[in-house]
Amino acid sequence: AQSVAQPEDQVNVAEGNPLTVKCTYSVSGNPYLFWYVQYPNRGLQFLLKYITGDNLVKGSYGFEAEFNKSQTSFHLKKPSALVSDSALYFCAVRAPDSGNTPLVFGKGTRLSVIA
Amino acid sequence: DTEVTQTPKHLVMGMTNKKSLKCEQHMGHRAMYWYKQKAKKPPELMFVYSYEKLSINESVPSRFSPECPNSSLLNLHLHALQPEDSALYLCASSQVGQSRNEAFFGQGTRLTVV
Repeated sequence: AQSVAQPEDQVNVAEGNPLTVKCTYSVSGNPYLFWYVQYPNRGLQFLLKYITGDNLVKGSYGFEAEFNKSQTSFHLKKPSALVSDSALYFCAVRAPDSGNTPLVFGKGTRLSVIA
Repeated sequence: DTEVTQTPKHLVMGMTNKKSLKCEQHMGHRAMYWYKQKAKKPPELMFVYSYEKLSINESVPSRFSPECPNSSLLNLHLHALQPEDSALYLCASSQVGQSRNEAFFGQGTRLTVV
C-alpha cells in the first residue's frame, strides 16, 4: 500500500525567508510524487511532480522539491516566501505502473507567510 | 485548455431536494474523479470513471449517484442528503493508464445541506 505523511499541520515563515514543507512517502518501487496547493474555497492546483531523473524538480510559482530516495522524502521548497504563498499544501503519491489509480494524498500542511 | 469546470460554485439544498453537480473538461482525459473535501482535510475519493465506465466506488452512500454521459462530462446526482454531507465537492480528470500523469482539479462546488 502507498502512503504519504506530512508531519507538520502548520508552517509559519516570514516573508522573504526560505520555506520548506515536508513530505515522506511509502510505496513499493520507485514512486511518482506530486505537490498540489489549495487556496481557500478553491480546487487543488498542480505545482510539480517527480517521475524520474534529476532529484531536484522545479515547478510553478518558484517552487521546487527535492526527491531523496534514501530518506523517502519529497520536501517542497522555495528560496524566498511571499505572503501570497499562504495556502494549504498537499503531497501525493502514486505507485508506478498503477494506471490511473487515484492519487494518495497526505493530510495537508497549512503554510502561513507573515509580512 | 487545462481547465476543469464545475458548476454550480455554491449550492444550498434541503434534505428532501434533488440536485446535480456538473463537471466538464476538454483535455481529452478519459479518467474522471469525484472527491469530497471537508474543511482543512485532504480530498477523499468517492468515484472514478475510466472510459466513461465506473471503475471505483469508494463505498459511497446511494444518495450520491454519479453519471458520466460522455468523455467530457461528469455529473453527481444528489438526493436526500444529510447535513454531514456538507462539504467541498471536487472533480478531477487525468489521462488513463499513465500513473505519471497529474490530475487536474476543478474549483469545486461548495455544498451546504440544511
